[in-house]
Amino acid sequence: DAGVIQSPRHEVTEMGQEVTLRCKPISGHDYLFWYRQTMMRGLELLIYFNNNVPIDDSGMPEDRFSAKMPNASFSTLKIQPSEPRDSAVYFCASSFSGKGTQYFGPGTRLLVL
Amino acid sequence: EDQVTQSPEALRLQEGESSSLNCSYTVSGLRGLFWYRQDPGKGPEFLFTLYSAGEEKEKERLKATLTKKESFLHITAPKPEDSATYLCAVFTYNTDKLIFGTGTRLQVFP
Repeated sequence: DAGVIQSPRHEVTEMGQEVTLRCKPISGHDYLFWYRQTMMRGLELLIYFNNNVPIDDSGMPEDRFSAKMPNASFSTLKIQPSEPRDSAVYFCASSFSGKGTQYFGPGTRLLVL
Repeated sequence: EDQVTQSPEALRLQEGESSSLNCSYTVSGLRGLFWYRQDPGKGPEFLFTLYSAGEEKEKERLKATLTKKESFLHITAPKPEDSATYLCAVFTYNTDKLIFGTGTRLQVFP
């Protein structure tokens, strides 16, 4: 199994630009989670989906952030417009049927200049 | 409110010097407690799940234990390759998400 796949691995953009992060969960997993990790705040849950439906988006920092899951094998996290304080590593994780164990992707390192 | 606290924040060990990392939690109903390892530039990697007080799990030089209030990750005779950040997380009956601690950054020197 390829594990959770994220792209791009690195993204450098300028303030005000739109950023789209992509995630492919492990096949058969029905939960998908988006996290952000910084030195200051650690690992923060942004949003999670169950069977492609958003369940809890209380961690999404503001309206500039949006996430979609059009099908069971693909999700996007979009930031528009991006700001320097969005610079972080963004992780996607997936799990099976509420078992709890989440498997993480390699992350996308975002730098907003 | 469910909370997870890890200590110490950072730990420096000499190779072969055994020690323990602590994860204390206050939750309304524990479904499971998870330990993850995170190497620099990588995503967290799953290590163990513990479900009930008294349970223990082992993997190489690592042993995880669980009580009703805390979990310990014991590292026996560590090697430099054990250097990483170790994260614990709780899984409760209130939600399907994990609540993570802030991690312990372990450095093992030869």
